[in-house]
Amino acid sequence: DIQMTQSPSSLSASVGDRVTITCRPSHDISNFLAWYQQKPGKAPKLLIYAASTLQSGVPSRFSGSGSGTDFTLTISSLQPEDVATYYCQKYNSAPYTFGQGTKLEIK
Amino acid sequence: EVQLVESGGGLVQPGGSLRLSCAASGFTFSSYAMSWVRQAPGKGLEWVSVISGSAGSTYSADSVKGRFTISRDNSKNTLFLQMNSLRAEDTAVYYCARDDSRGWYLDSWGQGTLVTVSS
Repeated sequence: DIQMTQSPSSLSASVGDRVTITCRPSHDISNFLAWYQQKPGKAPKLLIYAASTLQSGVPSRFSGSGSGTDFTLTISSLQPEDVATYYCQKYNSAPYTFGQGTKLEIK
Repeated sequence: EVQLVESGGGLVQPGGSLRLSCAASGFTFSSYAMSWVRQAPGKGLEWVSVISGSAGSTYSADSVKGRFTISRDNSKNTLFLQMNSLRAEDTAVYYCARDDSRGWYLDSWGQGTLVTVSS
């Protein structure tokens, strides 16, 4: 099975900072990658699918890029409400594995 | 508005069984694949199982294969997860989620139901 490795595991940044989270599948998954945001005590929320397509209603400060075995989630200007854990997920074929998560905090 | 409401969680002894339900509304249930995802306390998300809209195809994680069975009743807009031979490591919040029609990613999630496996 394909393993999904996210980095960093945790991240502290200041409001207004540009933040980047990386996801690396152990094998090529083309662009079959989604990103989710999970705030404390809440269900996850879809942010991005097909590696770079923003889900409807998601702020434009979020963006995704990459293909194959190297993907990135970027927040262009960090806001206080972005405090959350972020997960990537592969969906090219089952099992639809998640990354281990990146916990984002405000400095 | 898409709504997914899980129920059926609770405390169960190791080796026991539990059946989770997810009531769906706000969309044509039979047109969408549906999934279960779980999250152990303080841990990350773990994909558990998926079922196609027609219930013709199912896939499950190795960690639950042979113990958990996903099913659906399209006449009642309800998704199920039958969990047998439960272990302590199955303790988690279980989310049901809708798979987007364009791919196997999850565009809507329920609020989750907690399953605790303990003696």
